[in-house]
Amino acid sequence: DTAVSQTPKYLVTQMGNDKSIKCEQNLGHDTMYWYKQDSKKFLKIMFSYNNKELIINETVPNRFSPKSPDKAHLNLHINSLELGDSAVYFCASSPFGSGGAGDTQYFGPGTRLTVL
Amino acid sequence: QKEVEQNSGPLSVPEGAIASLNCTYSDRGSQSFFWYRQYSGKSPELIMSIYSNGDKEDGRFTAQLNKASQYVSLLIRDSQPSDSATYLCAFRDNYGQNFVFGPGTRLSVLP
Repeated sequence: DTAVSQTPKYLVTQMGNDKSIKCEQNLGHDTMYWYKQDSKKFLKIMFSYNNKELIINETVPNRFSPKSPDKAHLNLHINSLELGDSAVYFCASSPFGSGGAGDTQYFGPGTRLTVL
Repeated sequence: QKEVEQNSGPLSVPEGAIASLNCTYSDRGSQSFFWYRQYSGKSPELIMSIYSNGDKEDGRFTAQLNKASQYVSLLIRDSQPSDSATYLCAFRDNYGQNFVFGPGTRLSVLP
């Protein structure tokens, strides 16, 4: 069984469209994250949710909206897609807490988004 | 702005040699430091975490942390071609919520 899964794996769409990426983890973790990795391979945190509550919201355009229906799922909805949104988006999860096992993040396989 | 700096590489070493990867970070209050490995087209995977000054060894990997110098390194002994990947250095910020990643160093181990 895949620990952290994302769908879709690839997403190609036109500018201006709205799209969603889904993430699910079966590890029983409390905290889930969304990261963006651009063409220069910088991995930058976008959002973090702990037990369905937003705890990090880095400076990202408000066209990006995370939704967590339960602590095993964290979806990312993107409105009015722009060329600069093209990147690989990774979902991750970890047990809550800083230090020790709480620091281990498990990443999903990524979703490669291409905006034309 | 919290930052992590790494030499982007590529760092090329012959098979069997020691690969040395370096990283500096800006957040003096950080307590948790990590090395992730990312193969091309794949997701990052954690290979080492370190919290105290000094060395931490795990198999062929040794992480070294110097908080006074805000420096963390990763040594890979007996490098193998399968170690060829991008290595990402990261820290967890002082508030314990945010992970900050470096740009990664691309390592190439030549047979």
